[in-house]
Amino acid sequence: AQSVSQHNHHVILSEAASLELGCNYSYGGTVNLFWYVQYPGQHLQLLLKYFSGDPLVKGIKGFEAEFIKSKFSFNLRKPSVQWSDTAEYFCAVVSGGGADGLTFGKGTHLIIQP
Amino acid sequence: SAVISQKPSRDICQRGTSLTIQCQVDSQVTMMFWYRQQPGQSLTLIATANQGSEATYESGFVIDKFPISRPNLTFSTLTVSNMSPEDSSIYLCSVEGQGASEAFFGQGTRLTVV
Repeated sequence: AQSVSQHNHHVILSEAASLELGCNYSYGGTVNLFWYVQYPGQHLQLLLKYFSGDPLVKGIKGFEAEFIKSKFSFNLRKPSVQWSDTAEYFCAVVSGGGADGLTFGKGTHLIIQP
Repeated sequence: SAVISQKPSRDICQRGTSLTIQCQVDSQVTMMFWYRQQPGQSLTLIATANQGSEATYESGFVIDKFPISRPNLTFSTLTVSNMSPEDSSIYLCSVEGQGASEAFFGQGTRLTVV
């Protein structure tokens, strides 16, 4: 069975600070990896995804993530956060076959202080 | 992409009653997924619903408690039966793009059981 671990449950940063949210997964086979964001009162939205190829993927709003296969990690980064980045961030994984539904991490609540 | 509409968006229900949540997708999809997001928790997959067959439930979820219908390729319902306060959660419907390229989510149904 797959599992996803997000190390930081609550993160508070000041505007312009750099962000890195950790995500590790456990699964022996091929996986597709995702970061989703949920702004207050809104739907889950896809930030970025990794399927194959360049392990450094860029998403919307200046976010990027790096897939490190040897570490089973898919950490999310942003060099300079903004107040509007305040949200809940979820790392998720699905097996490469894609028929199983996503397995989500517990989420990280990010608060950006102006 | 897919646009997903859920009804109701929220409800407050008495314990012991049942609530049926509807999910409508703007395109035909083979599989639909139902998730639960308990307060302060991540999303947990309840079941996968394929059109024309019985839903497949994840460990810890049973058909008697969460019966699902999937009458066609654009619609599904999830019923939360014999509700207790522990069922208070956000319930989300989801579909995946081809090859699990992305998961799309409805806005969720916020259920409070009193």
